[in-house]
Amino acid sequence: DAKTTQPNSMESNEEEPVHLPCNHSTISGTDYIHWYRQLPSQGPEYVIHGLTSNVNNRMASLAIAEDRKSSTLILHRATLRDAAVYYCILRDLNSGGSNYKLTFGKGTLLTVNP
Amino acid sequence: NAGVTQTPKFRILKIGQSMTLQCTQDMNHNYMYWYRQDPGMGLKLIYYSVGAGITDKGEVPNGYNVSRSTTEDFPLRLELAAPSQTSVYFCASSYYSPGGYTFGSGTRLTVV
Repeated sequence: DAKTTQPNSMESNEEEPVHLPCNHSTISGTDYIHWYRQLPSQGPEYVIHGLTSNVNNRMASLAIAEDRKSSTLILHRATLRDAAVYYCILRDLNSGGSNYKLTFGKGTLLTVNP
Repeated sequence: NAGVTQTPKFRILKIGQSMTLQCTQDMNHNYMYWYRQDPGMGLKLIYYSVGAGITDKGEVPNGYNVSRSTTEDFPLRLELAAPSQTSVYFCASSYYSPGGYTFGSGTRLTVV
């Protein structure tokens, strides 16, 4: 599986934007970039995914570098509810049975200060 | 919509006992998955299913069994529980790749 690298932790203030980086220098052309988050004592929650173009949804935006070797999850206005572990995950849909697997690393622990 | 429902939420088992973790989804998703998460670690895939009657092993299947007789249900069976199976278990489902997964709230299992 192609690997991702994320900072262990980040801190933000409430109502400010947050940019969560992810490096994936060995990404293949068929890897999708997925982001999930996990609030304390809860199951992971899907945030967003993309392949090449930047993506927006009601939760966040995903900015993908032109060479696809890195991406950034953008929370436009952090709230206390956004405090969670954020996981950046690559999924290769051409890898047979293993494409059903989400390989979770340790993610980035985001702390939001009031 | 209930989404993905897991029962029980908590369970303590003695070594050697067996149990079934229940998972039900009401979104008509074809794909379902079982993950475990050890303290401070990421999730690891135990088993997955791409449709009723079809299951396959993930990364850490030893000590577990699954079945998928309906689209909605995907129970996980633990036979002869061991302390190494102490973990939080998450069930998830999805329509198709690369769509997002919907996770349940988890079952916290302790084997003593």
